[in-house]
Amino acid sequence: DTGVSQDPRHKITKRGQNVTFRCDPISEHNRLYWYRQTLGQGPEFLTYFQNEAQLEKSRLLSDRFSAERPKGSFSTLEIQRTEQGDSAMYLCASSGDLTRTDTQYFGPGTRLTVL
Amino acid sequence: QQQVKQSPQSLIVQKGGISIINCAYENTAFDYFPWYQQFPGKGPALLIAIRPDVSEKKEGRFTISFNKSAKQFSLHIMDSQPGDSATYFCAPGGSYNTDKLIFGTGTRLQVFP
Repeated sequence: DTGVSQDPRHKITKRGQNVTFRCDPISEHNRLYWYRQTLGQGPEFLTYFQNEAQLEKSRLLSDRFSAERPKGSFSTLEIQRTEQGDSAMYLCASSGDLTRTDTQYFGPGTRLTVL
Repeated sequence: QQQVKQSPQSLIVQKGGISIINCAYENTAFDYFPWYQQFPGKGPALLIAIRPDVSEKKEGRFTISFNKSAKQFSLHIMDSQPGDSATYFCAPGGSYNTDKLIFGTGTRLQVFP
């Protein structure tokens, strides 16, 4: 399978703990996006990388959130001192192949539950 | 400027019927207009997309109609099937060098046999 993969698929944590999610984009895609989706809502943009450069961050991305994409391949999203309001599905998407540069392909998501 | 409004919130259609979902946007800089389909527990998947230089695009049973002056676009699903039961999102955005998609709130479609 050459689609976008995310790990873990599910994460349950206690309030105040730190969590880290990983996203592996489609090979050779140079753009990588993180979105957050709460129940009954559409995904909301968090941040975007072109290669290893983080080009845009949403106001939703508080200081407790940090994302990296070292070497322009996989990406990690870390949430420090988790709060119950962080409970959501965290989606990763990638784009940038030569034929359809605007199509964002989404991974299956990581569902975070903060107790 | 970034607001995207989608309607209806939910839709129930009989098998073989036509499903129509509408999306209204405010940002005139948008130049890419996709519809995504999402099944429970899965990430969204691109269904069909249109650029503003055409007013309609058809792919199989799925058609996008685009009205630039009204800042609206719609998804038509012909001959709706039970397998089409899912949540649909419009997600207008920018083009090549930009960025994020702005998702609507979603339409839950249920197709009954």
